Amino acid sequence: GDSVTQMEGPVTLSEEAFLTINCTYTATGYPSLFWYVQYPGEGLQLLLKATKADDKGSNKGFEATYRKETTSFHLEKGSVQVSDSAVYFCALSLSGNTPLVFGKGTRLSVIA
Amino acid sequence: DGGITQSPKYLFRKEGQNVTLSCEQNLNHDAMYWYRQDPGQGLRLIYYSQIVNDFQKGDIAEGYSVSREKKESFPLTVTSAQKNPTAFYLCASTPRQGGAYGYTFGSGTRLTVV
Repeated sequence: GDSVTQMEGPVTLSEEAFLTINCTYTATGYPSLFWYVQYPGEGLQLLLKATKADDKGSNKGFEATYRKETTSFHLEKGSVQVSDSAVYFCALSLSGNTPLVFGKGTRLSVIA
Repeated sequence: DGGITQSPKYLFRKEGQNVTLSCEQNLNHDAMYWYRQDPGQGLRLIYYSQIVNDFQKGDIAEGYSVSREKKESFPLTVTSAQKNPTAFYLCASTPRQGGAYGYTFGSGTRLTVV
């Protein structure tokens, strides 16, 4: 079946460090890909998305490129801040009657 | 502003009680979803609905029930049959299921059994 695999956390970085959170997927079709962020005690917010191969989604300094050849959608940020501390979820959506498929989430802690 | 409202934010349930979590959206979205999140865990799908008066079971529907009588409302009842209901519950919606539509999430209800 369709699935999303994220790197296990927690990830702990110092402020201004480079961030990569790996995400790979398995899908029978051509999915749209998403990154969501969840701050403590809150719901999930859409961070960025890409709908076709080689598309790059970007928002708030975060980027992810849809790589069909490696079935990946890794999240990157050049310089993290303490305020980026949160849980990040990768997800995929296929056309048709199936809900979004989420990864298990990766907790990021940024220390000053 | 459009969005999803979940209430209450915190809910306490006694053993053997049924409780209902509210989810209302004013986004005119067709599809709505309920997820359960346990500490340090990902999201698990409980129920979803693509249209009024229709809904489907997700991965962990046992001990839960839903209704979809109005497009904007998708309440979740946690019944006494749910043996371990303490968790964070998230409601979400999307214009329609599938494709490039992402989900809009509510801010969640934290349910605790006392």
